[in-house]
Amino acid sequence: AQSVTQLGSHVSVSEGALVLLRCNYSSSVPPYLFWYVQYPNQGLQLLLKYTTGATLVKGINGFEAEFKKSETSFHLTKPSAHMSDAAEYFCAVTASGGSYIPTFGRGTSLIVHP
Amino acid sequence: DAGITQSPRHKVTETGTPVTLRCHQTENHRYMYWYRQDPGHGLRLIHYSYGVKDTDKGEVSDGYSVSRSKTEDFLLTLESATSSQTSVYFCAISETRDEQYFGPGTRLTVT
Repeated sequence: AQSVTQLGSHVSVSEGALVLLRCNYSSSVPPYLFWYVQYPNQGLQLLLKYTTGATLVKGINGFEAEFKKSETSFHLTKPSAHMSDAAEYFCAVTASGGSYIPTFGRGTSLIVHP
Repeated sequence: DAGITQSPRHKVTETGTPVTLRCHQTENHRYMYWYRQDPGHGLRLIHYSYGVKDTDKGEVSDGYSVSRSKTEDFLLTLESATSSQTSVYFCAISETRDEQYFGPGTRLTVT
């Protein structure tokens, strides 16, 4: 079985401040990990992913995430928030073996203040 | 962008009526999924398909059925719509256990 926990349903930052969105997972096999972003009235789109290899993963729009196996975490960061980053962010996990069905977290809404 | 369309994009229907939502892809991906998105619940999987005529239930499948007669089309049917099925429905596709590509969503209101 696998699960995803996103800490904080809402995160508020000022423009130019560090963005940190937290994601912890559980998986009985090595995971594939994903962050998706959803802008208002749109579908989800992939921000970045970890499958194998380098644990620090860079994505679009200046976001990055680090896979930490010992902490079962895959937190999303961006050094400097922009107003256009305001959106809903979802963390997801898929097992690298067995079932391919992903499990999604409940999402974190990022609010960016001027 | 992955070629995924959903129709209709918006629909208002009355309780007890049947409703069918369509997902169409041009990517020839093997796997297709239907999710519903509700505030506080994130994305919940309704049904998925791993090939033509091969489908299985997700975590919230009660009251929903699906069909996939062609690789490119995945239909979601609400046999008798209820107000609890008011939601935004997303279709997604994937080729492997790698990333999913999502459609634009269908906003369904059951009155």
